[in-house]
Amino acid sequence: AQSVTQPDIHITVSEGASLELRCNYSYGATPYLFWYVQSPGQGLQLLLKYFSGDTLVQGIKGFEAEFKRSQSSFNLRKPSVHWSDAAEYFCAVGLSGGSYIPTFGRGTSLIVHP
Amino acid sequence: DGGITQSPKYLFRKEGQNVTLSCEQNLNHDAMYWYRQDPGQGLRLIYYSQIVNDFQKGDIAEGYSVSREKKESFPLTVTSAQKNPTAFYLCASSMTGTLDNTIYFGEGSWLTVV
Repeated sequence: AQSVTQPDIHITVSEGASLELRCNYSYGATPYLFWYVQSPGQGLQLLLKYFSGDTLVQGIKGFEAEFKRSQSSFNLRKPSVHWSDAAEYFCAVGLSGGSYIPTFGRGTSLIVHP
Repeated sequence: DGGITQSPKYLFRKEGQNVTLSCEQNLNHDAMYWYRQDPGQGLRLIYYSQIVNDFQKGDIAEGYSVSREKKESFPLTVTSAQKNPTAFYLCASSMTGTLDNTIYFGEGSWLTVV
C-alpha cells in the first residue's frame, strides 16, 4: 500500500528565512503528488500538484516543490517566508484518474517567528 | 463562484442526538468525500461517493451515515453511536474518469458535543 511521510511535525523559521518542508512517499508507480495548506479552523487549500513533466512545480503564494524520483520525495520550498505562511501543510500522494483516493501525510505545522 | 459549501460552520450537539452536516458543491464533480480531523491530527476518511446513489465506507465509518441522492450534495449524519464525535469535519470533491482527480476541500464544520 502507498504511504506518505512528513518527518517533521513542527518547523520553526524566522520571517524572511527560507523554508523546506519534507515529504517522502512509498509507491511502486509514478504517483501524483500534492501539497495543501490549512490555516487554523479552515479547509485545505491546494498549493501545487505534480502529475508529470517538469519535476520542479510552481504553486501559489510563492511556493514550489521538486519531485525527486530517486529519493521518493516531493519537498516544498519557499525562498522567503512571511508571517502569514504560518499554517499546517499536508502532502498527499495519488494516482492518475479513475477512482483512486489520495493518501495524506500527517501534516507539518509551520511556526514563523518575527 | 464555483466551490464547496459546508454548513453549519459551528454546531453543538447534546449527547444522544443525531446531527447532519451539509455539503454542497457546484463544481460538477463526480466524487465527494467526508474527512474527520482532530486537533493536531491528520485527515481520516469517513465515507466517500463516486457516483450518485452509491457510497463506500472509509477508515472510520462507524457511527456515521451518508446519502448521495444528488450529484451536488453529500450530507453526513453523525449518529449517537459515534463515541467521540467532537471534531472538525471536512467535505471534499473531485472529478473521476479524467487524468486530473485533484481533491478540493470545503471550509469545514466544527462539531462539539456538550
